[in-house]
This record gives sequence, structure tokens and C-alpha cells, in this order.
Amino acid sequence: QEQLQESGPGLVKPSQTLSLTCTATGDSITRGSYYWTWIRQPAGKGLEWIGRIYISGSAHYNPSLKSRASISLDTSRTQFSLNLSSVTAADTAVYYCARERELGADYYFDYWGQGTLVTVSS
Amino acid sequence: DIQMTQSPSSLSASVGDTVTITCRASQTISRDLNWYQQRPGKAPKVLIHAASTLQSGVPSRFSGSGSGADFTLTISSLQSEDFATYYCQQSYEIPRTFGQGTKVEIK
Repeated sequence: QEQLQESGPGLVKPSQTLSLTCTATGDSITRGSYYWTWIRQPAGKGLEWIGRIYISGSAHYNPSLKSRASISLDTSRTQFSLNLSSVTAADTAVYYCARERELGADYYFDYWGQGTLVTVSS
Repeated sequence: DIQMTQSPSSLSASVGDTVTITCRASQTISRDLNWYQQRPGKAPKVLIHAASTLQSGVPSRFSGSGSGADFTLTISSLQSEDFATYYCQQSYEIPRTFGQGTKVEIK
């Protein structure tokens, strides 16, 4: 079993950097076959994949974010983090961390955090 | 990016009905398609992965089918707890992308 919990400020000023941390309770973050992912959802809208990181440190991001996103991994603390720079009101959303499982050629998000609302406002 | 289009965007149904939601990808994605259920205020939950594999613990009234670019999620004998929003998601390539969602409401 794995549990994920997001933490971080609920309010960020425009042009500043949004920083969130996801803490995993299990030890799968120290093993391969999983990708540690951030996904967001504006109120009343759909899901947007932000990016993911592997245990090797290799990360991939959504090009729509124009290089504003950065994800890091700290296996010793079983945490991974998101930094999103130069935020605007359009970045206001519920942010989820999730684990993407690799099962052969099959990839899917099998565990999610509860989500944390981040509002961008002055 | 691969665009995922779901239909319908919403539907009304009664307990006991069979419901079908479709998802179309903008290009072929083999069977790299997952389905999620999201209840209000909650995180999504995986129902089906690899187009038709039922996730452990998910009731058998949920089923998925399809390959290539066209996929279907079927909910047989709809239960009250199934009223939620459903999303498809492709895992064929990065960036991962989701459909816009289908809201299943009580008639």
C-alpha cells in the first residue's frame, strides 16, 4: 500500500514560485517501476499532467508549461517536489501528486494524494 | 500532444441502467488507455488500465474495450455510488493527456 500527501502554501502571489511537496508513506519511492507525478485540475475543469520524475532523477514536463515546472526527488525523505515559476491566476488549481505504475508496457496512475488547492492572487 | 475526446460530456441515467462512455484519441495509441472515476472533492481513482484490465478491487460492472483510437467504458447496472465524473487518459506518450470528462448524473 502507498499513501501520498501533498503539502505547501495555499496562496501564492502572481509572478512568484509555487512550491509543493508530496510525501509517500511507503517505500516504493526508493524502487524502480514507478514515476512520481504532478497533475492539476482547475475548479470545474479537467485534469492536466504537469510532469513526472523517475528514481534515476530523469524528469519529463508538459511543454504547455513552457519550462516553468521543475520536479525533484528526495528518496531519503520519501518526498518529491514541484516548483512552478512565474505563476499567474491561470495556475490556480487543485494540485495532485500521483504514482504512475509501470507494469510491463502498461502505465497508469494507481495512487493519488488527496489534492491541495493553490490559489494565485495578490 | 495526443488529444483525447470523450462523449458525451454528460449524461443522465437511473440506478440499474447500463451506461456507455466513449473516448477517441487523435492518433492510434494501441491499448494504452486508462479510465478513472472522480467523485466530487476527491482524487481520481483508476478503474481500468490497458484499455480492458480491471483494477484490483473495482467492481466487475465496470468494463473497458477498444484499441487503436476508439475506446469504450461500460458501466452495467449503475449503482448510486457510480454517479461521478469519468476520465480517459492515454499512456502512449509524454505528455500524458486526459479526456475532458463525462459527468454521470442521476435522472
